[in-house]
Amino acid sequence: KAGVTQTPRYLIKTRGQQVTLSCSPISGHRSVSWYQQTPGQGLQFLFEYFSETQRNKGNFPGRFSGRQFSNSRSEMNVSTLELGDSALYLCASSLGQGKQETQYFGPGTRLLVL
Amino acid sequence: GNSVTQMEGPVTLSEEAFLTINCTYTATGYPSLFWYVQYPGEGLQLLLKATKADDKGSNKGFEATYRKETTSFHLEKGSVQVSDSAVYFCALSGSGGSNYKLTFGKGTLLTVNP
Repeated sequence: KAGVTQTPRYLIKTRGQQVTLSCSPISGHRSVSWYQQTPGQGLQFLFEYFSETQRNKGNFPGRFSGRQFSNSRSEMNVSTLELGDSALYLCASSLGQGKQETQYFGPGTRLLVL
Repeated sequence: GNSVTQMEGPVTLSEEAFLTINCTYTATGYPSLFWYVQYPGEGLQLLLKATKADDKGSNKGFEATYRKETTSFHLEKGSVQVSDSAVYFCALSGSGGSNYKLTFGKGTLLTVNP
């Protein structure tokens, strides 16, 4: 079974631009979560989608948004990029049926904002 | 809110040494507990998990026991190898209505020398 895939793997943008990151979950998984990883703040939860609906949201500004499609693929968008948005963005998928489930992570998209 | 506290790294050991990485948590109710590992340039991989008090998770020689009385989930391995060099994250989910959100510790960098 293929794992979680994320595209692109690396991205360089300039301040003020916007970016869209993509995540394809493991086949059969309906929950997709996004996390931001930085050296200073560590791993922080952005949001979680299940069956095309946002079910949980972290404490990030409205510039960070996401969506999920009917095939469970998910995208996250960051508008008006700031230098502090430079990070590794990780996507994770699971069946979405309970707290005991394992979330399976993709390799991440490394975003550099100049 | 939920929080996870891990011992500060980095931790440097010689091959075949005993490893302990401490992890304590603050959460309401009965969260599930996880250890994830991140190798350089990669996403997170589940190492082990425990979903209720007194459960012991184990994998690849690593073990951790869910201790509700001390709110701890310490990671141990009897004999580390060079290939165990990575960053280890303790995490919880399923507390306070956040079933699908993982709350992570800051991570502990482990380096094992031959």
